[in-house]
Amino acid sequence: DVKVTQSSRYLVKRTGEKVFLECVQDMDHENMFWYRQDPGLGLRLIYFSYDVKMKEKGDIPEGYSVSREKKERFSLILESASTNQTSMYLCASSFRGAREQYFGPGTRLTVT
Amino acid sequence: GNSVTQMEGPVTLSEEAFLTINCTYTATGYPSLFWYVQYPGEGLQLLLKATKADDKGSNKGFEATYRKETTSFHLEKGSVQVSDSAVYFCALSAPSYNFNKFYFGSGTKLNVKP
Repeated sequence: DVKVTQSSRYLVKRTGEKVFLECVQDMDHENMFWYRQDPGLGLRLIYFSYDVKMKEKGDIPEGYSVSREKKERFSLILESASTNQTSMYLCASSFRGAREQYFGPGTRLTVT
Repeated sequence: GNSVTQMEGPVTLSEEAFLTINCTYTATGYPSLFWYVQYPGEGLQLLLKATKADDKGSNKGFEATYRKETTSFHLEKGSVQVSDSAVYFCALSAPSYNFNKFYFGSGTKLNVKP
């Protein structure tokens, strides 16, 4: 079974803090994704990576950056957290040509 | 462009009732279609998929048929259980740049009462 894990299930941070969300997959997938999920908006793509050190902006990249130093690990960074970044963050991964993605359990981030 | 529209919830049913959650899509090209389920406090799990027109995806008693003529992929289950209470997301996957991009509906919450 594909396993995608995320470093924290719940996280509370203060405005202005630098926040790191970590995601690890164990299936040797080339592609990795970060989404945020908000009520009534579904899932929106923040960033994705198609190889080590390669990244592309998704639909809502503002306020976020990413890092992929190893194939299995993809990090989402909030340089200076703000209250409007309070959300559920979901990581996903897939093989390069595959049409389905596998999701991690999510990190519920609260910025106060 | 690509987009997915699904019925708003919440949907509240009694146990053993018939379930339909409507999903329609717009797409260029030939997308794959998916239903994902999210149980409380969890991430998304793939429920079923269909990769071409007239395909029927099925899993755990849930079914959905890829209807190109009506651009629909409605989710059905003949007899729901309390354990089916969750949020259901319809999604399509279509080629974009060098990966297959997902477009998600806004989700439909299902509450099943005993």
